[in-house]
Amino acid sequence: KAGVTQTPRYLIKTRGQQVTLSCSPISGHRSVSWYQQTPGQGLQFLFEYFSETQRNKGNFPGRFSGRQFSNSRSEMNVSTLELGDSALYLCASSLSPTSSRGTEAFFGQGTRLTVV
Amino acid sequence: DQQVKQNSPSLSVQEGRISILNCDYTNSMFDYFLWYKKYPAEGPTFLISISSIKDKNEDGRFTVFLNKSAKHLSLHIVPSQPGDSAVYFCAASAIQFYFGTGTSLTVIP
Repeated sequence: KAGVTQTPRYLIKTRGQQVTLSCSPISGHRSVSWYQQTPGQGLQFLFEYFSETQRNKGNFPGRFSGRQFSNSRSEMNVSTLELGDSALYLCASSLSPTSSRGTEAFFGQGTRLTVV
Repeated sequence: DQQVKQNSPSLSVQEGRISILNCDYTNSMFDYFLWYKKYPAEGPTFLISISSIKDKNEDGRFTVFLNKSAKHLSLHIVPSQPGDSAVYFCAASAIQFYFGTGTSLTVIP
């Protein structure tokens, strides 16, 4: 069974540009969550989608947005990039929403975004 | 506001000994707790979990303990092996997952 696939693995962008990251969940999983990992901050929750609907959103500015398609694949978009957006962006998929007790999330390898 | 805290950024343990990783949380609404392990250049891998209705869950060398009154969670690895060297994240679930900042474990051969 294929795992969670994130593309691309690495990205270098310039300040002010926008970027789109992609996540293909495990087959059959309908929930996709996105996290930002920076040194010393752990994993910060960005948002979660379940059946094409955004269920929750973390405390990030509106420059960060996402969507989920009917095949459960998800994209995350960051507009007007800032240097502080440099991070590892992780996507996780699960069968049920993460608010469901007993749900385990499975992570992709992440996309390393560097903003210069 | 960090609702899940891992106060030890790093831990070193001799091979064969016990590794104890700690995690504290502040939100009494958390009802499910998980530990993830992360190697460099890889995404976190699920390790073990525990429901808030239990105080212990064991899976092979890994045991998670939950003390709800103290809002404290710990992961015990016995015996520790060099391959266990990684960053360990604890997570708590309410409406979403809340992760700690991670503890880097080094198991010395």
